[in-house]
Amino acid sequence: SQKIEQNSEALNIQEGKTATLTCNYTNYSPAYLQWYRQDPGRGPVFLLLIRENEKEKRKERLKVTFDTTLKQSLFHITASQPADSATYLCALDMANDYKLSFGAGTTVTVRA
Amino acid sequence: ETGVTQSPTHLIKTRGQQVTLRCSSQSGHNTVSWYQQALGQGPQFIFQYYREEENGRGNFPPRFSGLQFPNYSSELNVNALELDDSALYLCASSSGGGAKNIQYFGAGTRLSVL
Repeated sequence: SQKIEQNSEALNIQEGKTATLTCNYTNYSPAYLQWYRQDPGRGPVFLLLIRENEKEKRKERLKVTFDTTLKQSLFHITASQPADSATYLCALDMANDYKLSFGAGTTVTVRA
Repeated sequence: ETGVTQSPTHLIKTRGQQVTLRCSSQSGHNTVSWYQQALGQGPQFIFQYYREEENGRGNFPPRFSGLQFPNYSSELNVNALELDDSALYLCASSSGGGAKNIQYFGAGTRLSVL
């Protein structure tokens, strides 16, 4: 069956370091992959979208890569700040239909 | 803020009752998707409405139903509530379905079933 897996462990990093999160998927080749940020008790907020023919996408301190051979996306937060502490979710369409499937998320805590 | 509003913010019901959750979509968006998010999990797709028609459904039983109105606002109805229905219910509006369209989420409705 189709699965989306994100880092199972929470990530604790020192301010100023780079956080790297993984999103692995199986049994399908999505055309698009998205990353969202979710704060406790709030809805997810869109961060970045990457297409299958794009290897890398950047937005300010954020960088996303998309490796369709490895079936993996990496999400990087460079020069991390305590305000970056949140849960980060990857999302993709597992069957090229209208259903958006989310991973379970990775919780990042940035220590000052 | 996304412009997507959900009501109520919190709700407590007992097993077997029925509940209606409401969502106002962002201006200009014709598609509304509903998700259920259990604690510590990612959002799970319930269904999507496009121009007042159901346009895709996840693995949820028929007691989960919905509506979309001409102004593109939407309702989620859950009948015969079960304890496992306790979750954060999220509504997202977009200009179309699938991962090529950005989802704009509301803050959610926290449902507790006792």
